[in-house]
Amino acid sequence: DIQLTQSPSSLSASLGDRVTITCQASQDIGKSLNWFQQKPGKPPNLLIFDSSNLETGVPSRFSGRGSGSDFTFTINSLQPEDVGTYYCQHSNNLFMHTFGQGTKLEI
Amino acid sequence: QVQVVQSGAEVKKPGSSLKVSCKASGGPFRNTAVNWVRQAPGLGLEWVGGIIPVFGTANYPQKFQGRVTITADESTSTAYMELSRLRSEDTAVYYCARGTKLDHWGQGSLVTVSS
Repeated sequence: DIQLTQSPSSLSASLGDRVTITCQASQDIGKSLNWFQQKPGKPPNLLIFDSSNLETGVPSRFSGRGSGSDFTFTINSLQPEDVGTYYCQHSNNLFMHTFGQGTKLEI
Repeated sequence: QVQVVQSGAEVKKPGSSLKVSCKASGGPFRNTAVNWVRQAPGLGLEWVGGIIPVFGTANYPQKFQGRVTITADESTSTAYMELSRLRSEDTAVYYCARGTKLDHWGQGSLVTVSS
C-alpha cells in the first residue's frame, strides 16, 4: 500500500507569508496527488487535483507541484481564512484512497 | 449544483452495527464514485471504502475488510455504509464524498460508540 508522509505536522506563520507543505509518497504515483483544506467542524474541501490543477473557485494564491514521489503545496500571501488543516491524498487505479497525516496551519 | 446529504448523528453500543446513508442530488449518480471517509476526534482522515454504483462492487482497505459493507441504491440516488462489530475506536465523524477527486462532501455523520 502507498503511504503519504506530510511535513511539517504543524506550522505557525504570519499574514502575508508564503507557506509550503510537502508530501512524500512511498512509491512513484505520477501526478496523482490532491490537496485538501479542512476547517474545524467542516468536511474537507478540494483545493488542488492531479498535483497542480486548481479546483474551480479556489483562490490563485494556492498552488501545487511535483510528480513521482515528491510534492509541494504552497500558499502565497497567507490570509486569515487560510487557517486550518491541510491534507494530501492519493487514489490508485483501483479507486483506493490514502491520506497524509495532515498539517495544521495557524497564524 | 451537486448536493450530498447524510443521515444524522447516532449513539451505538459496542458490538452493534451502524448504517449511515448519503443521498446525492444535482449530478449523475450511477457512474460517480461514492466514498466513505472517517475522522476520529482530533485525528486525521481515514478512507473506509467506496463504490461506483453502476459497477455495484465496493472496494475496502484491508483494515476494514469483513466489517464494512458499502452499497448504493440507484432508484433513490442513495449510498449506504454499514459497519459491524462496533468498538469505541469507531467513534468518529463519517463523511460521504463523491467523485474520484472527492470533490463533493456531505456534512458528516457523528457516530459515538459507548456502553
